[in-house]
Amino acid sequence: DAKTTQPNSMESNEEEPVHLPCNHSTISGTDYIHWYRQLPSQGPEYVIHGLTSNVNNRMASLAIAEDRKSSTLILHRATLRDAAVYYCSLQGAQKLVFGQGTRLTINP
Amino acid sequence: DTAVSQTPKYLVTQMGNDKSIKCEQNLGHDTMYWYKQDSKKFLKIMFSYNNKELIINETVPNRFSPKSPDKAHLNLHINSLELGDSAVYFCASSQVLNQPQHFGDGTRLSIL
Repeated sequence: DAKTTQPNSMESNEEEPVHLPCNHSTISGTDYIHWYRQLPSQGPEYVIHGLTSNVNNRMASLAIAEDRKSSTLILHRATLRDAAVYYCSLQGAQKLVFGQGTRLTINP
Repeated sequence: DTAVSQTPKYLVTQMGNDKSIKCEQNLGHDTMYWYKQDSKKFLKIMFSYNNKELIINETVPNRFSPKSPDKAHLNLHINSLELGDSAVYFCASSQVLNQPQHFGDGTRLSIL
């Protein structure tokens, strides 16, 4: 069964970069890697996704390992508003798996 | 303008009752989803519809029945509610499967 594994929690300081890891060793060739984040009492919010190449957008960067068995979400300069639970997800044909999420705390 | 809206936001009911949760999206997306998030914050897919057709149907008790009257709506009906059904249920939509999903704010279901 497809699965993603993330650390339960991470902590960082404001204005510093944050690297959030995800392991997905059972990934299939056509599975996309998605990242979402969730603030308290809200629905998850899309952050970024990719298939094989690294991706950048205004929110974050996604670094995908060459064998695609792991990925890292990079927040370049964390702010207090980035404190949330971050979910790594595999999405493919008839497959949708979310990890248990990493609770990110940002210290002022 | 809310992109994905769910009603009700809160639902408190007794064991054994039947209830429905409604979801509507105004993004013109073809694919819609229902997720269950338990107290430990695990997010688990339940169903996915593409243009009113069921494409993902995870191992969910048959007390749960999704209905998609058109591609902008995906409702969830639950029969004979049990204590273990207490959770937050999220609806989401995307242009097609594998594309970024937009989530609603969730429906918190509490079974007494």
